[in-house]
Amino acid sequence: EIVLTQSPGTLSLSPGERATLSCRASQSVSNSYLAWFQQKPGQAPRLLIYDASSRATGIPDRFSGSGSGTDFTLTVSRLEAEDFAVYYCQQYGSSPYTFGQGTKLEV
Amino acid sequence: QVQLVESGGGLVKPGGSLRLSCAASGFTFSDSYMTWIRQAPGKGLEWVSYIGGDGRDTHYADSVKGRFTISRDNARNSLYLQMDSLRVEDTAIYYCLRGHMILPNWGQGTLVTVSS
Repeated sequence: EIVLTQSPGTLSLSPGERATLSCRASQSVSNSYLAWFQQKPGQAPRLLIYDASSRATGIPDRFSGSGSGTDFTLTVSRLEAEDFAVYYCQQYGSSPYTFGQGTKLEV
Repeated sequence: QVQLVESGGGLVKPGGSLRLSCAASGFTFSDSYMTWIRQAPGKGLEWVSYIGGDGRDTHYADSVKGRFTISRDNARNSLYLQMDSLRVEDTAIYYCLRGHMILPNWGQGTLVTVSS
């Protein structure tokens, strides 16, 4: 089973700043099959990024994903008020598919 | 538009059973892999299981293998999760999703509480 470790656990920033979230895998994620989700309180998660760097439909271009192998990054170029939430990475390169423990992005 | 509506959650005692259902619409159900993901209260996301379009390809998380069974009825556009030998740690919101790799469509979830 691939273990995903996200860092930091909590990231405190202000609107307008740049956010960089990390997701490290215990072994290589095949084909860079890694996704990023955003979750706000009381809501289902929303897919932001798939295949490590492809934006899902309707996702603003301030969200970008990068990385391969074992190291992946989600970047939010200029934070807006609605971006403060919890972010999860997930690998779907090998079963069982697994999630990271989450990064809370707070003001 | 894709719609996924989960049902069947509730309160059950440890060791008991529950069957979750997911009614799907807005896409060709029989052509689609389907996935269950859960989230314990205040905790992170946990992938549970997926099933192929014809029902033959199934995968499970180690934490539920041997206790949960995923199935589908393509004539009814419905996905199921039979949960047996339930444990307190199975308490979670269970989400039904279209697909098994790229997961853009989530239901609203159904809450399962395992408690004596």
